[in-house]
Amino acid sequence: DADVTQTPRNRITKTGKRIMLECSQTKGHDRMYWYRQDPGLGLQLIYYSFDVKDINKGEISDGYSVSRQAQAKFSLSLESAIPNQTALYFCATSAAETGVNEQFFGPGTRLTVL
Amino acid sequence: GQNIDQPTEMTATEGAIVQINCTYQTSGFNGLFWYQQHAGEAPTFLSYNVLDGLEEKGRFSSFLSRSKGYSYLLLKELQMKDSASYLCAVNGRGFQKLVFGTGTRLLVSP
Repeated sequence: DADVTQTPRNRITKTGKRIMLECSQTKGHDRMYWYRQDPGLGLQLIYYSFDVKDINKGEISDGYSVSRQAQAKFSLSLESAIPNQTALYFCATSAAETGVNEQFFGPGTRLTVL
Repeated sequence: GQNIDQPTEMTATEGAIVQINCTYQTSGFNGLFWYQQHAGEAPTFLSYNVLDGLEEKGRFSSFLSRSKGYSYLLLKELQMKDSASYLCAVNGRGFQKLVFGTGTRLLVSP
């Protein structure tokens, strides 16, 4: 089945470590997004990409970086993790040509920074 | 600025009807989505409204009034599995990104 996958699904790390979260999709969508979700704060957009050469900051990009290695792959990095980056991270995709921007979400990565 | 408001939590009884409201103020409007999210899982698409009126899909219906910046999600014949968070999200100008509300946690009791 066409799908959005994320690795790892769970990660515990220590303050100061570099972490990479990966997202892959087989939907053939051109747009990809990274969100974080904290209790009571909803989904907040970190970065988004409309194609391989297009990267845009979202609401809360500080402390994060991204790489769009191919149309199907979009990775999120935390260069030096800190405890307040503990959250549930979602990758999402959408197709520009539909004119709707319905987003399809991956299963999420639960990140804990100690 | 952009702002989306939903109630934080609602409770209802199995078999009943519940209406979850969403009001929004956004820069540009190109449609409103409702997503369902079970605890610890990914949001999944429920409905999309871009024109005023009611969209019905099985037990779920969604209503939009663009002039009032208002939408609601109506869930009928509630089932225990409907206990989840319901996220309202607005498509901004240029279809570039969705702005999400903080979600309404619905608890369905027997």
